[in-house]
Amino acid sequence: DAGVIQSPRHEVTEMGQEVTLRCKPISGHNSLFWYRQTMMRGLELLIYFNNNVPIDDSGMPEDRFSAKMPNASFSTLKIQPSEPRDSAVYFCASSHRDGYGYTFGSGTRLTVV
Amino acid sequence: GDSVTQMEGPVTLSEEAFLTINCTYTATGYPSLFWYVQYPGEGLQLLLKATKADDKGSNKGFEATYRKETTSFHLEKGSVQVSDSAVYFCALSWTGGSYIPTFGRGTSLIVHP
Repeated sequence: DAGVIQSPRHEVTEMGQEVTLRCKPISGHNSLFWYRQTMMRGLELLIYFNNNVPIDDSGMPEDRFSAKMPNASFSTLKIQPSEPRDSAVYFCASSHRDGYGYTFGSGTRLTVV
Repeated sequence: GDSVTQMEGPVTLSEEAFLTINCTYTATGYPSLFWYVQYPGEGLQLLLKATKADDKGSNKGFEATYRKETTSFHLEKGSVQVSDSAVYFCALSWTGGSYIPTFGRGTSLIVHP
């Protein structure tokens, strides 16, 4: 199994631009999670999906952030417009419905200048 | 709500030294406990786990024992290597129901030759 695949690995963008991060979960996993990691705030859960349906987005920092999961094998996290304070490493994770096999991707390092 | 508290880092050791990273938790009941490791530039990986009181999780020379009486799950290794340099996260979760892990802030370990 290739694991959870995220792209791109690194993204540098200018303030005000739209940024789209992508994630392919492990085949057969029903749940998908988006996290943000910063030195100041540590690891934060932004949103999670069960069977492609968003269950809890209370961690999404503001309306500039949105996430979609159009099918079981793909999810996106979009930031529009981006701001320098969005600079962080964004992780995607997936698992079976009961939490078994919880696996993280390698992350996308986002820098907004 | 549930919470996990880890010792502040960084922890700096010489190769072959003994390692302890403290972790305590607050939860109503008896969750499963985990240690995850994050190597530079990578996502979190499950290192070991314990699902009930007095269980000992072990992997790659690391050990941790689920102590119900002290609500602790301290990570230990008898002889660290330079390759163990990473960030270590303690976490708890519940089987079924709310299985999404609650993570600690992480503890950075630096091992010098």
